[in-house]
Amino acid sequence: DAGVIQSPRHEVTEMGQEVTLRCKPISGHNSLFWYRQTMMRGLELLIYFNNNVPIDDSGMPEDRFSAKMPNASFSTLKIQPSEPRDSAVYFCASSRTGGEENYGYTFGSGTRLTVV
Amino acid sequence: AQSVTQLGSHVSVSEGALVLLRCNYSSSVPPYLFWYVQYPNQGLQLLLKYTSAATLVKGINGFEAEFKKSETSFHLTKPSAHMSDAAEYFCAVRKTGGFKTIFGAGTRLFVKA
Repeated sequence: DAGVIQSPRHEVTEMGQEVTLRCKPISGHNSLFWYRQTMMRGLELLIYFNNNVPIDDSGMPEDRFSAKMPNASFSTLKIQPSEPRDSAVYFCASSRTGGEENYGYTFGSGTRLTVV
Repeated sequence: AQSVTQLGSHVSVSEGALVLLRCNYSSSVPPYLFWYVQYPNQGLQLLLKYTSAATLVKGINGFEAEFKKSETSFHLTKPSAHMSDAAEYFCAVRKTGGFKTIFGAGTRLFVKA
């Protein structure tokens, strides 16, 4: 298994540009999570999907952020327009969830976003 | 609502010494508990998880954690630190049957030669 695959690994963009981060979860995992990590705020959950449906997007900072999961093997996180304060490492994680089973998450390697 | 508190943002130990990273949780229902490790420029890796089958949980790389309901704690230990253990460690909690995992602020472990 290749694990959770995120692309790109690094992204440098100018303020005001659109940024799209991509994630391929592990096959068979039915939940997908987007997290943002910064020194100041630690790990923040942005949004999570279960069976491709967004369950909770209360962590999305503002309307500039949007996420989609068109199928079980692909998700995107889009920032439009981007701002310098969006600079962070964005992680995608996937898991099997449901019932009483205790599954942990598998994280991707992250996308380091720098907005200048 | 669930939450998790990690005591100490930085812990420094000598190589060969005991590692103890502290985690306390709050949850209105029996939770699932996890420890994750993050090495520089990498994503988080699952170290171990509490499954309710046993209060002492063994994980990878010689780490273990003990669930103590009376103390609402889930501290992570390793008898003998190795240089390769230097990383950031995150305690996390999830409500039984729930989707959402809440992570602590993390504890950075330094190992001195």
